Amino acid sequence: AQSVTQLDSHVSVSEGTPVLLRCNYSSSYSPSLFWYVQHPNKGLQLLLKYTSAATLVKGINGFEAEFKKSETSFHLTKPSAHMSDAAEYFCVVSDLPSGNTPLVFGKGTRLSVIA
Amino acid sequence: KAGVTQTPRYLIKTRGQQVTLSCSPISGHRSVSWYQQTPGQGLQFLFEYFSETQRNKGNFPGRFSGRQFSNSRSEMNVSTLELGDSALYLCASSTDRYGYTFGSGTRLTVV
Repeated sequence: AQSVTQLDSHVSVSEGTPVLLRCNYSSSYSPSLFWYVQHPNKGLQLLLKYTSAATLVKGINGFEAEFKKSETSFHLTKPSAHMSDAAEYFCVVSDLPSGNTPLVFGKGTRLSVIA
Repeated sequence: KAGVTQTPRYLIKTRGQQVTLSCSPISGHRSVSWYQQTPGQGLQFLFEYFSETQRNKGNFPGRFSGRQFSNSRSEMNVSTLELGDSALYLCASSTDRYGYTFGSGTRLTVV
């Protein structure tokens, strides 16, 4: 069965400094991995997705993530934080070959950006 | 291109009542999934429909049910509401496994 562990429940950074949100996953097969962002009182927006192509995935708003199979990690990074990045971020896994498994969400990491 | 539309956005119900939530997927998307989001349990999978058939079901009691129509629109129903059913209910649509588009959700409050 798949599972996701987001290693930090809350991350606080200063505006203009790098962002690192950590995610480890467990999957029986080659997984699909996603990062979603949720702003207050909003739905989920897809930031980026990994589906067994390039291991470095670029997403929207300057975010990127690197799939490391040996470390079972899929950390999200951004070179320079912006105030508008403050939100809840979810790492998500889905088993690829079975095709019928639902998304499994991590508990989320709340990102705060300090001016 | 219109996104995933969920109605209503907010709902207040009394314990014991039943409620129906609606989700209209992106045009052409045949898969619709439902998730419950609560502060304590996070995001949990309820069920998924594909071409009017339930393809997967999460670990929720039978009070939670759903269906999908021929135009891919989906509804979920919760009967005999409990206080613990208060949550944000999110719907997502997809053409395949490589990216789900979520709606803004329906916030259900049970009093």
